[in-house]
Amino acid sequence: EDKVVQSPLSLVVHEGDTVTLNCSYEVTNFRSLLWYKQEKKAPTFLFMLTSSGIEKKSGRLSSILDKKELSSILNITATQTGDSAIYLCAGGGAGSYQLTFGKGTKLSVIP
Amino acid sequence: SAVISQKPSRDICQRGTSLTIQCQVDSQVTMMFWYRQQPGQSLTLIATANQGSEATYESGFVIDKFPISRPNLTFSTLTVSNMSPEDSSIYLCSVLSGRASEQFFGPGTRLTVL
Repeated sequence: EDKVVQSPLSLVVHEGDTVTLNCSYEVTNFRSLLWYKQEKKAPTFLFMLTSSGIEKKSGRLSSILDKKELSSILNITATQTGDSAIYLCAGGGAGSYQLTFGKGTKLSVIP
Repeated sequence: SAVISQKPSRDICQRGTSLTIQCQVDSQVTMMFWYRQQPGQSLTLIATANQGSEATYESGFVIDKFPISRPNLTFSTLTVSNMSPEDSSIYLCSVLSGRASEQFFGPGTRLTVL
């Protein structure tokens, strides 16, 4: 059975800090890893990673995949209170569009 | 990315009743999915909504409890039947984008069953 594990489960930081969120996966015929930000109900797509070692970047957020270690990290620099959310990681396998989600990391950014 | 809407955004229902959730996409998409997120849990795939044929259900989910329709490439419904408090969840539809298999989610329906 496919499995995605995220750590830490929750994190409290001050504005301006840099955070690193971790995701490890065991996905049959792994094809892609996706990161989402969930603030209320709907997860908002952040990144999809398919190639190892290639960083994807969007503003203060960046992510990289390590296929050898079966893991990915999501970095957020200069955090703001608006970054407070649950960050979800999901793994997808080849031949199927089903995603296996981790339980998420709840990030709280305090002023 | 596709613009996805869901109705209702939230509802409070009585035990034993059924609720139908609608998902509308602003463009034709080949793949649509229904997920459930129970309180404090992550997302779990319920089924893949197939256009013109029966939905494909994941382990632990059955058609009698979660009937799904997909009459065309822009619309799907999920019904939660004979509800119990354990069905209280956020229900989300999602679609694949036209490229790279990125999956986008609708705004969700928060269901509370009393």
